[in-house]
Amino acid sequence: DIQMTQSPSSLSASVGDRVTITCRASQSISSYLNWYQQKPGKAPKLLIYAASSLQSGVPSRFSGSGSGTDFTLTISSLQPEDFATYYCQQSFSVPYSFGLGTKLEIK
Amino acid sequence: QVQLVESGGGVVQPGGSLRLSCAASGFTFSSYGMHWVRQAPGKGLEWVAFIRYDGSNKDYADSVKGRFTISRDNSKNRLYLQMDSLRAEDTAVYYCAKANHIVGGTVEDWGQGTLVTVSS
Repeated sequence: DIQMTQSPSSLSASVGDRVTITCRASQSISSYLNWYQQKPGKAPKLLIYAASSLQSGVPSRFSGSGSGTDFTLTISSLQPEDFATYYCQQSFSVPYSFGLGTKLEIK
Repeated sequence: QVQLVESGGGVVQPGGSLRLSCAASGFTFSSYGMHWVRQAPGKGLEWVAFIRYDGSNKDYADSVKGRFTISRDNSKNRLYLQMDSLRAEDTAVYYCAKANHIVGGTVEDWGQGTLVTVSS
């Protein structure tokens, strides 16, 4: 099974900051990497698929990069609505594992 | 727009059974693979099961294999999760989710979830 390791587990930042979250797979997953955002009490929302493709309707301040085993999610200028928990997920092979999440909090 | 509405959650004793249902609308249900994903209270996301658009292939997490069964009825636009031999660690919000058309493992749309509590 493929293990997904996210870092950091939590992060404090201010509105307007540039933020980067990393995700590492235990083996190569090509570009089969997705990023999700989840707010408290709500269902997750797909932000980025195939490592770098922006899901329809997602603001362009979100971007993803990477391939193989190392990936990043970048938010170019944090907005108040971006404070949430972010998860990476590999869609390369079953079981489709998620990272443990990164909680982004207001500084 | 895509709508996924789960039902069937509740409180069940350890060793008991429960059947979750998901009503899908706003897309051609019979053309898409579907997932169940769960989230224990205060914890992260855990992928549970996937079924191909035509029901011909099903995959499960090791933690539920042999106890849970995913199925679908394309004539009713419904997805199901039969959960047997339930354990306390199965307590979670269960999300019904639509797969991406190209990459089946990508979860494109999510329902609001239904809570399952396994407790005596």
